[in-house]
Amino acid sequence: GQQVMQIPQYQHVQEGEDFTTYCNSSTTLSNIQWYKQRPGGHPVFLIQLVKSGEVKKQKRLTFQFGEAKKNSSLHITATQTTDVGTYFCAGITNAGGTSYGKLTFGQGTILTVHP
Amino acid sequence: GAGVSQTPSNKVTEKGKYVELRCDPISGHTALYWYRQSLGQGPEFLIYFQGTGAADDSGLPNDRFFAVRPEGSVSTLKIQRTERGDSAVYLCASSLTYRRNTGELFFGEGSRLTVL
Repeated sequence: GQQVMQIPQYQHVQEGEDFTTYCNSSTTLSNIQWYKQRPGGHPVFLIQLVKSGEVKKQKRLTFQFGEAKKNSSLHITATQTTDVGTYFCAGITNAGGTSYGKLTFGQGTILTVHP
Repeated sequence: GAGVSQTPSNKVTEKGKYVELRCDPISGHTALYWYRQSLGQGPEFLIYFQGTGAADDSGLPNDRFFAVRPEGSVSTLKIQRTERGDSAVYLCASSLTYRRNTGELFFGEGSRLTVL
């Protein structure tokens, strides 16, 4: 079955440093979503990427979708303490039409930011 | 309410017992999902409903797990003969899915199940 791998598993940074997490899928994805989960909270949607090579920005966050639609990354510039949490990618494979709702999550990258 | 509501928020049960977890999605959301999250892991897909029917139940681990959504709104996840390995946070999410495009998933706070 489809597998989505994320690296690194943990990342500790000083406030102001940059942060990147990478997501790789064993199969070609139709689209990919990113979520953030604060400690003790539930996943909250950040963005969806659909097109090959797509790049989207949200303030200090930059999301990329690979040309082959098998990998993606999230980059945070100048981290702040409010960025603390676990970042998940979730891939969707349109295999057979009916499974378009099935998001396969990576194991997440836990980000801690030291002030 | 404005968000996805899940009850109970915490459930402690004994091995072998039957458990029901309820999810009330955002009004108007046709798609409803159940995920299971263990400590330090990403959400694991269980089942997805489009309306009243289960569009994909390939993530249900075995026949002890069953979910229904009889009127296309509230859903119940049912677990029979619970085992200690079933302990996890069960997350429900809903979304607007249009023309086969999965939209943003809105997650509930989850139901934490502990099987003793």
